[in-house]
Parts: sequence; structure tokens; C-alpha cells
Amino acid sequence: EVQLVESGGGLVQPGRSLKLSCLASGFTFSNYGMNWIRQAPGKGLEWVASISSSSSYIYYADTVKGRFTISRDNAKNTLYLQMTSLRSEDTALYYCARSTYYGDYWGQGVMVTVSS
Amino acid sequence: DVVMTQTPVSLSLAIGQPASISCKSSQSLLGTSGKTFLNWILQRPGQSPKRLIYQVSKLYSEVPDRFSGSGSETEFTLKISRVEAEDLGVYYCWQGTHFPQTFGGGTKLELK
Repeated sequence: EVQLVESGGGLVQPGRSLKLSCLASGFTFSNYGMNWIRQAPGKGLEWVASISSSSSYIYYADTVKGRFTISRDNAKNTLYLQMTSLRSEDTALYYCARSTYYGDYWGQGVMVTVSS
Repeated sequence: DVVMTQTPVSLSLAIGQPASISCKSSQSLLGTSGKTFLNWILQRPGQSPKRLIYQVSKLYSEVPDRFSGSGSETEFTLKISRVEAEDLGVYYCWQGTHFPQTFGGGTKLELK
């Protein structure tokens, strides 16, 4: 069974940093590109970043470019999102999703709240 | 960026009625690979999104065949032949052809 479990969220002050993790199981993690997608409270979905299976290709939304870094450790079956210079508008539920082009499996999400 | 325009914003239907959701993109979603990465996902209340359809019309194995997807280039449609109670939630179209990837605004399906 494919499982994606996000962690690392919480309440953080504006300007601070936070690192999210997504632990994958039930499939060969190193064969799949991965995504981070977020959803602000009561809002729709916003794609944040994608990374290819070998980390050769990485893409970011303009809203996070230069502040967020997506990475992965295929030996640990884990996807990461390092978030710096956080803003109030980054407050959202962050999902990891498998497969760069399809998003065929999603985690349950982890909440990030940016507030003083 | 590719703008995805979904209509209607909401649908209120009785069980057994058909449903149709439109998704239009501001540019063609046909990629250089010859594939069109237009996906449909469903977010039930309080849950994370779940997969429905990929590459315009391909149903995932667990998705009931009352769902269907069609379209090409810039115009796409999700249809439900007969709505059931488990179908309520918010439907999103999502294009994976171009970066940044973008989502439609969502269509909320409510039951009458």
C-alpha cells in the first residue's frame, strides 16, 4: 500500500524557517518524481515544487522561488521541503504527492502556520 | 503561467442525476511527449485529495466507471453519469504539462 506521511509542520514566526518531511512507503521511491502542494485555509490547491526521481530536475512556483528548497534522500525514502523567510501567506496545509505529472497519491498533509 | 478555469463553481444535484464539470486552459496542454497531462482529483470534506483521472480520460483502477473524462488541447470535461452520495466534495482539474503546474479553482459538488 502506497503511503506518504508528512511531518515537521507547526507554528512559526514570520521570517523564520521550517523543514517539512514526507516519508514514503509501499513503492520504489527512487523511481518517482515528487511534488509539494499546499492549500491555504478554506482555499484551493496551489502547486509549490516538484523534483524528479534523481533530483536532476527541480521546479518551483514563483511565490516560493528563492525561499523554499525541495530535496530528497532516496536512501531514506524521504522528500523534504526547506522553507525559509516564511510569510503569513505561506500558512497552509502542505501535501506531498507522488508522480511529477499525475499526483496519483497524496499524503494527509501537515499544517504550517506563520504568525507572530 | 497556464490559467485553468473551472466551471461551474458549485453544483447541487440529487442522487442519480448526471454531472458535468468544465475545465479550460489558457494554452494547449499537449506536451512535447505527445501526452496531455490533465488530471482530475476529488477532495472529500476533511480529507486529502484523491486521484480520479489522468491524461484527460484514463481512470485509475479504483474509480467507478460512472466517471469519465474527455477533451483535448485547451478544453476538458469531467462527467459523472449518475451522482452518488460518496461523490460529494470539491473537484479540481490540474495540469502537469507546463511548469509551474496549475490547478483549476475547484467545483464543489453538493447533494440536494
